[in-house]
Amino acid sequence: QVQLQQRGAGLLKPSETLSLTCAVYGGSFSNYYWTWIRQPPGKGLEWIAEITHSGGTNYNPSLKSRVTISVDTSKNQFSLKLRSVTAADTAVYYCARGWGYHYESSGWYFGYWGQGSLVTVSS
Amino acid sequence: EIVMTQSPATLSVSPGERATLSCRASQSVSSNLAWYQQKPGQAPRLLIYDASTRATGIPARFSGSGSGTEFTLTISSLQSEDFAVYYCQQYINWPRTFGQGTKVEIK
Repeated sequence: QVQLQQRGAGLLKPSETLSLTCAVYGGSFSNYYWTWIRQPPGKGLEWIAEITHSGGTNYNPSLKSRVTISVDTSKNQFSLKLRSVTAADTAVYYCARGWGYHYESSGWYFGYWGQGSLVTVSS
Repeated sequence: EIVMTQSPATLSVSPGERATLSCRASQSVSSNLAWYQQKPGQAPRLLIYDASTRATGIPARFSGSGSGTEFTLTISSLQSEDFAVYYCQQYINWPRTFGQGTKVEIK
């Protein structure tokens, strides 16, 4: 049973850095895309970035200049940092895993999700 | 970036009735399309992948169709637990993109 458990700060001031971590329990950590997705209140889903266990990354161009995704295979966890946040970054942030292996198309949609973390940016 | 457009934004349906949701891609995504269901306060749940394949444990009343740029999610007979927001997602290109969602509400 794969479980993704998120942790990180929920209230930030403008210009600060958002930092979230997703710990993975159950299943293999290798051969999957580990992904961050966000959802502003009352709005749709936005894919942020993904990483493999070996550190291969893909970023959304709209956020790439401010985002770093990283992985710690020794702890089976991956992390998101988003710099210089503004109110527009207020959202529920989800970590997710591709359904299948990252080198197959089944790894490019999301079968496992974390519980979501509400991050609010306010002065 | 591939833009996914869902319609309608809100669909009012009576329990037991059929619901038909649409998703259009700004360019062909072949069959690389997934559908998700999201209930308030919950993470999305994978319903359909490869445009028409139900994910594990998804009831047969959910079906997906289409390819290229036009896709449909059909719920054949709405149950109370089906009232939710539904999203489509393309996974042929980066960045992965989602539609803005269709809310299925009780009529």
